[in-house]
Amino acid sequence: AQRVTQPEKLLSVFKGAPVELKCNYSYSGSPELFWYVQYSRQRLQLLLRHISRESIKGFTADLNKGETSFHLKKPFAQEEDSAMYYCALSGHSGNQFYFGTGTSLTVIP
Amino acid sequence: DVKVTQSSRYLVKRTGEKVFLECVQDMDHENMFWYRQDPGLGLRLIYFSYDVKMKEKGDIPEGYSVSREKKERFSLILESASTNQTSMYLCASSSPSGNRGNTQYFGPGTRLTVL
Repeated sequence: AQRVTQPEKLLSVFKGAPVELKCNYSYSGSPELFWYVQYSRQRLQLLLRHISRESIKGFTADLNKGETSFHLKKPFAQEEDSAMYYCALSGHSGNQFYFGTGTSLTVIP
Repeated sequence: DVKVTQSSRYLVKRTGEKVFLECVQDMDHENMFWYRQDPGLGLRLIYFSYDVKMKEKGDIPEGYSVSREKKERFSLILESASTNQTSMYLCASSSPSGNRGNTQYFGPGTRLTVL
């Protein structure tokens, strides 16, 4: 069963424009949601977790349990935000971990 | 900072060869994972391990096996490499008891080409 869905494979926005990367999930119970980012020629790294409710590099993501969504947002995109973004879900023990197929974000100067 | 290292960044092997990919983490994490990363398919879990000598199949275990003899080391084995196993392989570790929850920490990846 598809646990994490990222509907957009590719997303292009202009510098300074708002950006939203969509993520929907299906999971029974209370999952932990993450956004990971992979910049060119770098390793995959954590961007943010829903539990910490933090803003990292201007990005935020709110867990909407009613819509089972965890969309990633930034009000003003920067060129350095160009990267591959993965939404991910973990079960409570961490033994279950599911990634979406990723969205490649390009910020056009 | 958590450090996850992988034995090779690039590897070229021939069809039928036995291939070993090694991963080491230095944060005493219980959980370790092997994924393959392919364009358009995202990350797909091959195997994971939640303790020494324990392993569980992921979504695509066929053609792979794993070994975890020590807590810090998790090896992925391709018994007889095939061209459809050409991919980027990522190792990760996590600990449910850490202050970052179940956050996974990734190695730099091994790009394997099977000719």
